[in-house]
Amino acid sequence: GENVEQHPSTLSVQEGDSAVIKCTYSDSASNYFPWYKQELGKGPQLIIDIRSNVGEKKDQRIAVTLNKTAKHFSLHITETQPEDSAVYFCAASRGAGNMLTFGGGTRLMVKP
Amino acid sequence: GAVVSQHPSRVICKSGTSVKIECRSLDFQATTMFWYRQFPKQSLMLMATSNEGSKATYEQGVEKDKFLINHASLTLSTLTVTSAHPEDSSFYICSAARTSVGYEQYFGPGTRLTVT
Repeated sequence: GENVEQHPSTLSVQEGDSAVIKCTYSDSASNYFPWYKQELGKGPQLIIDIRSNVGEKKDQRIAVTLNKTAKHFSLHITETQPEDSAVYFCAASRGAGNMLTFGGGTRLMVKP
Repeated sequence: GAVVSQHPSRVICKSGTSVKIECRSLDFQATTMFWYRQFPKQSLMLMATSNEGSKATYEQGVEKDKFLINHASLTLSTLTVTSAHPEDSSFYICSAARTSVGYEQYFGPGTRLTVT
C-alpha cells in the first residue's frame, strides 16, 4: 500500500518568512496530492491540491510542487502570518473516490 | 460550497454503551464517505470507506462489528461505536468525496468521544 512521509514534524518561522514542507510517497499509481490545514480541535481543511498532470500550482501565498519521477511534493507558504500557525498534512491517493493516505503532519508555528 | 457537518461535536458516554455519530454533506452529494480516527498529536488513520447503498470496507485491524457504519443516502453516513471502552476515546472525523465532480475530499469538524 501507499506510504507517505512528511518532513519536518515541527517548523518555526518568523512572521513574513517562507515555510516549506516536504512529502514523499511510495505508490507510483498515486495521482492526487492534497494538502490540509488542521487547527486545534477542528477537522482538516483543504488548502490546495495538485494532480499528477501538472508540476506546480499556486494560490495566492500558497504553492505546491510535484516531482513524479522522484515521488515527492512540497508545500510552500510565503509571507507567513501568525494565523498560518496550525498542523499541516499532506496526503496522496489514486484519484476520485479513493482513500487518502496521510503524512505524519507538520506543526507550523509563525512567531510574530 | 462543499460543507460537511458532524453531530455531535462532543460526547461523553459510559463504558459499555453505544454512541452514534452522524456525518452529513450539506450542499453536495457524496457517493463515498470516509471515517478516520485521530489520536492526540498524531495523523489521521483511515478506519473505513463507506459507499452509499453498500457495505463499508474496513481497514485492517478495525473491527467491523464494533464500528458499525451505515451510508443510507448520498448525504448521510453514520458511525456507531458499540460497547464503547475507554480505549475508544478519540477524535473521529468523517470526509465526503464529490466523486461526480472531482477528486477532492472535504472533512467534517470532528467528534470528540470520551468513554468513562
